[in-house]
Amino acid sequence: DTEVTQTPKHLVMGMTNKKSLKCEQHMGHRAMYWYKQKAKKPPELMFVYSYEKLSINESVPSRFSPECPNSSLLNLHLHALQPEDSALYLCASSDAQSGPDNSPLHFGNGTRLTVT
Amino acid sequence: AQSVTQPDIHITVSEGASLELRCNYSYGATPYLFWYVQSPGQGLQLLLKYFSGDTLVQGIKGFEAEFKRSQSSFNLRKPSVHWSDAAEYFCAGANTGTASKLTFGTGTRLQVTL
Repeated sequence: DTEVTQTPKHLVMGMTNKKSLKCEQHMGHRAMYWYKQKAKKPPELMFVYSYEKLSINESVPSRFSPECPNSSLLNLHLHALQPEDSALYLCASSDAQSGPDNSPLHFGNGTRLTVT
Repeated sequence: AQSVTQPDIHITVSEGASLELRCNYSYGATPYLFWYVQSPGQGLQLLLKYFSGDTLVQGIKGFEAEFKRSQSSFNLRKPSVHWSDAAEYFCAGANTGTASKLTFGTGTRLQVTL
C-alpha cells in the first residue's frame, strides 16, 4: 500500500469543466510534488512545494493551478483543459528536512485524467 | 544537458534468468541516482538509491545496482527474475543538492516469460 493517497483514481472532464485532484500524505514530509505522465513516457515534473510554499513551477500552463493548504495536503485545480492534457497525474512527497540522502520521493498511485 | 538515458525500450527474460537493465547518466558531478519500478496503473516505487559511498547498492525485492563513474552507468541487476517483476523500470537522476528535482529516463519495459 502506498503512503501517498490520491483521489480520484479516475477522472473524465470536459474542456469547460473545473475539477480538482487531491493528494494526501501523513509521513510528516514537508515537500510535495505534482508530476504528469503521458502513456509510455516518463513522469515530468510540474510543481514542487516546500514547506507549503511553491518552490518550482516547470513552466506549466495556467490552466493547472496547484495549492498546498497544509503540510499534508496538495491539490491540483484544473480549468479549461485540452484533450492533450489527458495523462496520469502523480503526486509525490519527500522529507525536505532530512538531507538529500534520506529524502527519496514517495509516489501515490496517480489520477488517470481524460479530457473530452 | 543533464540527463539519464535508458537505451533499452523493451527487454524480455525468462523466469529464473538473470537481469540487467542499463542506465547511463550525464551530469557534471556525481549525481544522485535512483531506480523506480511502475506496475500498470500504479505509481512509482523506489527500488534503490545511490548518493555516495559504496558503489554497489542493494535495494528491495532482490535488486542491486552498481555505480560506475568510468562508464557513467548505474545498471540495475537481479540474479533471478520472478514473473511478478514484469513492469516498467525507470532510472532517475538529480544534481547533488537538488535531489528533489529528478529527471527520469524513458523507461525500460520488462517482460517475463514463464
